[in-house]
Amino acid sequence: NAGVTQTPKFRVLKTGQSMTLLCAQDMNHEYMYWYRQDPGMGLRLIHYSVGEGTTAKGEVPDGYNVSRLKKQNFLLGLESAAPSQTSVYFCASSYSSGLAGDEQYFGPGTRLTVT
Amino acid sequence: AQKVTQAQTEISVVEKEDVTLDCVYETRDTTYYLFWYKQPPSGELVFLIRRNSFDEQNEISGRYSWNFQKSTSSFNFTITASQVVDSAVYFCALNVYGNKLVFGAGTILRVKS
Repeated sequence: NAGVTQTPKFRVLKTGQSMTLLCAQDMNHEYMYWYRQDPGMGLRLIHYSVGEGTTAKGEVPDGYNVSRLKKQNFLLGLESAAPSQTSVYFCASSYSSGLAGDEQYFGPGTRLTVT
Repeated sequence: AQKVTQAQTEISVVEKEDVTLDCVYETRDTTYYLFWYKQPPSGELVFLIRRNSFDEQNEISGRYSWNFQKSTSSFNFTITASQVVDSAVYFCALNVYGNKLVFGAGTILRVKS
């Protein structure tokens, strides 16, 4: 049982390049989330998914796209990377019966630098 | 709107001191959940506790204790007899609906030996 895994762990991009971050969970969770963590700002929700085939915007969605083609995977895409997207990205998942309050399980994070 | 404020950016203590991390939240909803997460230097996020808005009982787990007061919209976290291994960033978070978490900015705790 690996929990939540993220690929890659580190990445350096040049401005304008694109990339996809992969998140996988083996807990059969319905909900999945992408956050970014910046110094002094805590974690902010980028996009989330309440089930396979669904996605929704979070607090800071601009410049990112997501897809949830399989229940266990949640992909975060950057189509044209900008220096402002330099951050640590965390994926999380939760079981969720539809009510608030389920614990979210976090992946180890991906450190992305855009030069 | 929901908001979580952790006014203490950084706290430094000497080992064995007690330390309290403050968390103040804002929400108009009557049903909500509060969380604390720990982020050690290795970077992962570790779940510490969840408390729902209807349960104001304080909780103690070993050296950790939490004080939830709805009257002041606070959910403070105390570490008793701190240890170097407690050095981390601690996040308070609020969950109102749709299982989306709103995080505070975090408090960096440095415990010196």
